Amino acid sequence: AQTVTQSQPEMSVQEAETVTLSCTYDTSESDYYLFWYKQPPSRQMILVIRQEAYKQQNATENRFSVNFQKAAKSFSLKISDSQLGDAAMYFCAYRTQGVNNDMRFGAGTRLTVKP
Amino acid sequence: ETGVTQTPRHLVMGMTNKKSLKCEQHLGHNAMYWYKQSAKKPLELMFVYNFKEQTENNSVPSRFSPECPNSSHLFLHLHTLQPEDSALYLCASSQVLDWEDTQYFGPGTRLTVL
Repeated sequence: AQTVTQSQPEMSVQEAETVTLSCTYDTSESDYYLFWYKQPPSRQMILVIRQEAYKQQNATENRFSVNFQKAAKSFSLKISDSQLGDAAMYFCAYRTQGVNNDMRFGAGTRLTVKP
Repeated sequence: ETGVTQTPRHLVMGMTNKKSLKCEQHLGHNAMYWYKQSAKKPLELMFVYNFKEQTENNSVPSRFSPECPNSSHLFLHLHTLQPEDSALYLCASSQVLDWEDTQYFGPGTRLTVL
C-alpha cells in the first residue's frame, strides 16, 4: 500500500525567508503523480504544485518549487520569499498513474509565517 | 474559490438525527469524492463516483450513505451518527483522464455530533 509521510507536524518561517517542507512516500510503482496542497485557515484545499514522476525536471510555480528525488522517494516543497498569506496546513499527496482515483495524503505540516 | 461548493458549512446534529451534506461542482468534471478530515490524521477517502457510478467505498460505515444524481452534484446522507464522526467533511471533483486527474476541493462542512 502506498503511504505518504510528512515528518514535520509544524514549521515556522520568518517573512521573506525560505522554508522547506518534507515529504516521503512509499510505493512500488514507477509512474505516479505527486501533489502539494495548501489549506489556509478558511479550510478550502488549494492545489499548490504537482509533479509527474516520469519528469526529471522539478516543478515550479512562482515562489513554490519542489525537490523531487525519485530514488529516495522524497518530494519536498520549497517556499521562497515567504509571505504572511502562506500560513496554512500543507498536505503532500500521491496518486498512481491511470484512471485511478485513490489519492493518498500525508498528515500535513502546519506552517506559521512570522512578520 | 467557487469551483466546488458545499452546504452547509457548519452542522451540529444529535445521534438520532438525519441530515444531508451537499456538494456541487461547477468545473465540468466527471468524478466526485467525499473525504473525512479529522484532527492530526491524513485525509480519509470515503467515496468516489466516476461518471455518476460509485467506484470506491473505503469500508465506510453504513450510517454514511452517498448519492450522486448527476455529475455535478454529490450528497452525503447521515443517520444515527456517533460522536467520533465529528470531523470536517470535504468534497472534491476531478476530470478523470488517463494521465491527468488533479482534484479540486470544496470548503468543507464542519460536522459536530452531540
